[in-house]
Amino acid sequence: DGGITQSPKYLFRKEGQNVTLSCEQNLNHDAMYWYRQDPGQGLRLIYYSQIVNDFQKGDIAEGYSVSREKKESFPLTVTSAQKNPTAFYLCASTPTGRVDTEAFFGQGTRLTVV
Amino acid sequence: GENVEQHPSTLSVQEGDSAVIKCTYSDSASNYFPWYKQELGKGPQLIIDIRSNVGEKKDQRIAVTLNKTAKHFSLHITETQPEDSAVYFCAARGAAGNKLTFGGGTRVLVKP
Repeated sequence: DGGITQSPKYLFRKEGQNVTLSCEQNLNHDAMYWYRQDPGQGLRLIYYSQIVNDFQKGDIAEGYSVSREKKESFPLTVTSAQKNPTAFYLCASTPTGRVDTEAFFGQGTRLTVV
Repeated sequence: GENVEQHPSTLSVQEGDSAVIKCTYSDSASNYFPWYKQELGKGPQLIIDIRSNVGEKKDQRIAVTLNKTAKHFSLHITETQPEDSAVYFCAARGAAGNKLTFGGGTRVLVKP
């Protein structure tokens, strides 16, 4: 089955530590995205990538970093510079070149700082 | 950039009644407007979408309307059922890029 896989489902981080969230897709989509969701709020864009080896900052990129070395993978690192990292993180993908296409989401990773 | 406002933030309806969620957007160049349903602890899933050259679209109990002049679009769910209880998000995508901007979400509760 084609889809997006995020891992782990739950992640706990100590203050001052970097953590990396995994996102893999087998949909052959060019574009991938990371969103952050806080309780009772909408989705805010952290980073997105429209092609391998290229990515752009979204609305809340500070304290986060990404890489796009392979088409199917778009890992997100939450660095110690992110002051309030506890949130639900969602990865999504779309085919590039068509703005009117569905975005497919993973099941999310819930990150908690302990 | 694009700004999407969504109302209401919570909506409680009796089973069988209709539910309506409204969104406004700021970028007049936006041309794609999807609606997503998110169940607890899961990622959002597309339930219906509409493009800027269409004013209304229906899919069984779900319909979406778009008013480009006023820059607003709405989701209508008829004959609501308990399984419709979830958080619903509207979104808009501008012609300039491939980014989706989401509204703040509406928590819908259908009471049996």
